[in-house]
Amino acid sequence: AQKVTQAQTEISVVEKEDVTLDCVYETRDTTYYLFWYKQPPSGELVFLIRRNSFDEQNEISGRYSWNFQKSTSSFNFTITASQVVDSAVYFCALRRNAGNMLTFGGGTRLMVKP
Amino acid sequence: NAGVTQTPKFQVLKTGQSMTLQCAQDMNHEYMSWYRQDPGMGLRLIHYSVGAGITDQGEVPNGYNVSRSTTEDFPLRLLSAAPSQTSVYFCASSYDSRGPPWNEQFFGPGTRLTVL
Repeated sequence: AQKVTQAQTEISVVEKEDVTLDCVYETRDTTYYLFWYKQPPSGELVFLIRRNSFDEQNEISGRYSWNFQKSTSSFNFTITASQVVDSAVYFCALRRNAGNMLTFGGGTRLMVKP
Repeated sequence: NAGVTQTPKFQVLKTGQSMTLQCAQDMNHEYMSWYRQDPGMGLRLIHYSVGAGITDQGEVPNGYNVSRSTTEDFPLRLLSAAPSQTSVYFCASSYDSRGPPWNEQFFGPGTRLTVL
């Protein structure tokens, strides 16, 4: 069975602080895919990044960066110099190699205060 | 392209009523699915379909029916609504996983359902 755990249910930071959202996953598959989605207050799900299990390179996109560590089954997400517009619920998700079904973590609500 | 559309956006039902949540996509995606979102539990898969005429159960299928008569549409039916079905429902679509592995799922805007 697959499982995704986001232990931080809610994080509050002040604007310009850096913040890391943790994601730990469990799977028996050797090939799998990891995703991060953002859900702003308007409610839609916004795709942020995907990573396959064979690619452990960290990725940076502007103020966002992702740290994938297969040895600890973690796929953490860091926002540098946070902004109020980053306030949202962030979901980590796992997909098997076969099939399109996503297993989601419980989400982390990030509040960035001015 | 309109992407994935869902109707209605909001719905209030009484216990025991039935209704259908509509989902449509115009991207010719083979794979479509329904998730429900509850506080603290993320999104959980209800039913999915890998093509017209083919459906299967996800993690939480009880109380829901689906059918897939066309590639574009994947309605979700609640035959007898219960308060436990109060949730936000998301429809998603993507190309089939047998194709390229980077089959990003496109999500609809969601339907907020309240069952009294």
